[in-house]
Amino acid sequence: NAGVTQTPKFRVLKTGQSMTLLCAQDMNHEYMYWYRQDPGMGLRLIHYSVGEGTTAKGEVPDGYNVSRLKKQNFLLGLESAAPSQTSVYFCASSYGTSMYTQYFGPGTRLTVL
Amino acid sequence: SQKIEQNSEALNIQEGKTATLTCNYTNYSPAYLQWYRQDPGRGPVFLLLIRENEKEKRKERLKVTFDTTLKQSLFHITASQPADSATYLCALDPSFSGGYNKLIFGAGTRLAVHP
Repeated sequence: NAGVTQTPKFRVLKTGQSMTLLCAQDMNHEYMYWYRQDPGMGLRLIHYSVGEGTTAKGEVPDGYNVSRLKKQNFLLGLESAAPSQTSVYFCASSYGTSMYTQYFGPGTRLTVL
Repeated sequence: SQKIEQNSEALNIQEGKTATLTCNYTNYSPAYLQWYRQDPGRGPVFLLLIRENEKEKRKERLKVTFDTTLKQSLFHITASQPADSATYLCALDPSFSGGYNKLIFGAGTRLAVHP
């Protein structure tokens, strides 16, 4: 089992460019999440999904879009990158509601110049 | 306002001692509280979950307490080792999240165990 994988590991963008981060899990989990982690601020939820074809906004959704076309994949898109989106992005998945563990991917370090 | 507070200053302890990390929260009534470990450059890894009706939970050298009156959880590592050095995050279920698994994370406390 690979668990949760993220692609790419590192990326540098110029302001205004777009990109998509891919998250894949092989644990057959229903729930998937995208977080960003900034120094001193902890993990903040961007968007999440409770099943294939569903998405919902988290705490900091502005500037991001997501799609969950397949149960095992959760994509995070930046349509027009801004320097404020420089961060480390983590994807996570879980079997169900808050009594269950979240499994995290290794992260993507994104720099927007 | 709602918030989770963990000590932002690093905790430095000597090998073999007990490390105690604190997680305080305000204006939440969580049904569950979880602790995660995060090593530099890696994603968080789950350690323990404690329910609101549990006072204490243990796993090997780890112990978590949950005081819903004080709105506080304590995370203890006994007989600490240099390999325990990491950042420890607490996370809670805000309970008003409509049943979806929207954990709210604290910023974490960095623990350094010195030989």
